[in-house]
Amino acid sequence: QVQLVQSGAEVKKPGASVKVSCKASGYTFTSYDINWVRQATGQGLEWMGWMNPNSGNTGYAQKFQGRVTMTRNTSISTAYMELSSLRSEDTAVYYCARGRGSSSWYGDWYFDLWGRGTLVTVSS
Amino acid sequence: SYELTQPLSVSVALGQTARITCGGNNIGSKNVHWYQQKPGQAPVLVIYRDSNRPSGIPERFSGSNSGNTATLTISRAQAGDEADYYCQVWDSSTEVFGGGTKLTVL
Repeated sequence: QVQLVQSGAEVKKPGASVKVSCKASGYTFTSYDINWVRQATGQGLEWMGWMNPNSGNTGYAQKFQGRVTMTRNTSISTAYMELSSLRSEDTAVYYCARGRGSSSWYGDWYFDLWGRGTLVTVSS
Repeated sequence: SYELTQPLSVSVALGQTARITCGGNNIGSKNVHWYQQKPGQAPVLVIYRDSNRPSGIPERFSGSNSGNTATLTISRAQAGDEADYYCQVWDSSTEVFGGGTKLTVL
């Protein structure tokens, strides 16, 4: 079964870091980029960045530069997103999503497979 | 930065046609993708590259894109179509989402 399975909910204190995992199954993990998208309660979708599981190359939204790190472990087909210096505004559901090429331009993706999301709560 | 504008809400009578717009500067030159999100669930791709339906998405869902507006059309609306809908494009190495539209089926 083609799916992305994410790690469970986390509660963190302000200033801490959180690392969310996303395990791929049912397809070749290294063939598609993994993107991370977050959604605060009652709000819209916000793209955070991408990671190429084959090369390990990454690209981050400007808003998260310096605070986010996306990595992978190809031996277990798992992608990770670590966000540091957490603040209350980072409380959200974090999704991983598989990117499919929409054109010949690298990065022009649509997201055809999503994880179920991981709730990260930042509270003192 | 590139911005996508969606109406906050759209209402449609059961069995009628709903149209959800996504506005952006010269959006017709970009590939537009649409997602459906029901409460407590992850988004689901319903249209990619302006007008293509993934397998498993009913033919009632269609899309178009021209000029400064992309449109998601849902024909013969059903109660199960009630959800939030988001458009998405790629611009300047960044994925951009619209603010989302809540579709209510009356």
